[in-house]
Amino acid sequence: DVKVTQSSRYLVKRTGEKVFLECVQDMDHENMFWYRQDPGLGLRLIYFSYDVKMKEKGDIPEGYSVSREKKERFSLILESASTNQTSMYLCASIGVFTWGYNEQFFGPGTRLTVL
Amino acid sequence: GDSVTQMEGPVTLSEEAFLTINCTYTATGYPSLFWYVQYPGEGLQLLLKATKADDKGSNKGFEATYRKETTSFHLEKGSVQVSDSAVYFCALSELNRDDKIIFGKGTRLHILP
Repeated sequence: DVKVTQSSRYLVKRTGEKVFLECVQDMDHENMFWYRQDPGLGLRLIYFSYDVKMKEKGDIPEGYSVSREKKERFSLILESASTNQTSMYLCASIGVFTWGYNEQFFGPGTRLTVL
Repeated sequence: GDSVTQMEGPVTLSEEAFLTINCTYTATGYPSLFWYVQYPGEGLQLLLKATKADDKGSNKGFEATYRKETTSFHLEKGSVQVSDSAVYFCALSELNRDDKIIFGKGTRLHILP
């Protein structure tokens, strides 16, 4: 089974702190994604990466950065956390299958609260 | 650009009722279509998928048929259970370099015993 793991299920930080959210996948997937999920807004793509050291901005990259030093690991960084970054953060990786469809596998999520 | 529209929730049903959650999409090519489910406190899990027109995806009693003529992928279940209470996301993906998936906003489903 594909496993996508995230470093924390729950995290509480203070405004201005630097926050690292880690995501690891064990299926040798090339593409990895970070989303945030908020009530009424669904999932919004923050950043994605299609290879080591490669990154692309998603729909809401402001206030975030990412790091992909190894294929299996994709980190989301909040340089200076703010209260409007309180949210559920979901990591995903994607496997592209030979018969032409792709499926994202999700981690369990990190619920971040910024005080 | 591509988009997914699904019915807003919450949807509240009694146990054993028939469920339909509507989903329509716009896409420039020939996307694959997905339904994901998120149980309380968990991440998203793939529920079912369809890769071409007229395909029917099914899992755990849920079904959805890829209708190209109406650009729809409605989720149905004949008899819901309390354990089906969750948030359901319709999504599409077109194979390209970044393999992004476009999600709908999700529909929260409450099943009453």
